[in-house]
Amino acid sequence: QKEVEQNSGPLSVPEGAIASLNCTYSDRGSQSFFWYRQYSGKSPELIMSIYSNGDKEDGRFTAQLNKASQYVSLLIRDSQPSDSATYLCAFSPTGTASKLTFGTGTRLQVTL
Amino acid sequence: DGGITQSPKYLFRKEGQNVTLSCEQNLNHDAMYWYRQDPGQGLRLIYYSQIVNDFQKGDIAEGYSVSREKKESFPLTVTSAQKNPTAFYLCASRVLGQGSEAFFGQGTRLTVV
Repeated sequence: QKEVEQNSGPLSVPEGAIASLNCTYSDRGSQSFFWYRQYSGKSPELIMSIYSNGDKEDGRFTAQLNKASQYVSLLIRDSQPSDSATYLCAFSPTGTASKLTFGTGTRLQVTL
Repeated sequence: DGGITQSPKYLFRKEGQNVTLSCEQNLNHDAMYWYRQDPGQGLRLIYYSQIVNDFQKGDIAEGYSVSREKKESFPLTVTSAQKNPTAFYLCASRVLGQGSEAFFGQGTRLTVV
């Protein structure tokens, strides 16, 4: 079983719609979770981090963590063409506090 | 300015050669990481280090080596044992602690010629 799984997409949503991105992980002891955005040919940049069950909102972005079901999601409200990118989830497991594992990423396309 | 500097941005390697990718950070971060990214793929962990003179293998360490002689520096050597080294290499660093984010360098694109 892979440590973290994401749907590779592409996920296509119209401008102004809500984009929903999901990530599941296998390590029940995982502590911290991250969503990164990566434009083609560029380095990833952090969107949000979350480590408590529930929702965390920052502007148009909401991260949701459910440790019992072992998934973390990212909602993007009012999607814009500039949101078109690959979204990577990452997590830091317990026991090896410094290890940081990334998923394969979901490519999002926001259409006009 | 504080940040992570990777060099060079582009690197060409002949088959059978070892090459070293540089990664320097002035953020006083404890942990440093090397990832490999292939086209259309996610980031795969090569090596990581959370303290000077100590490092751990990631998921794809074969054919790579690292050192951590200084807190600021974490160079990656791609050896001739790595049979398919053409990829985008990313270095990252972060402080240790719950929820602490990783910051990335600009990446090095390595091509075997």
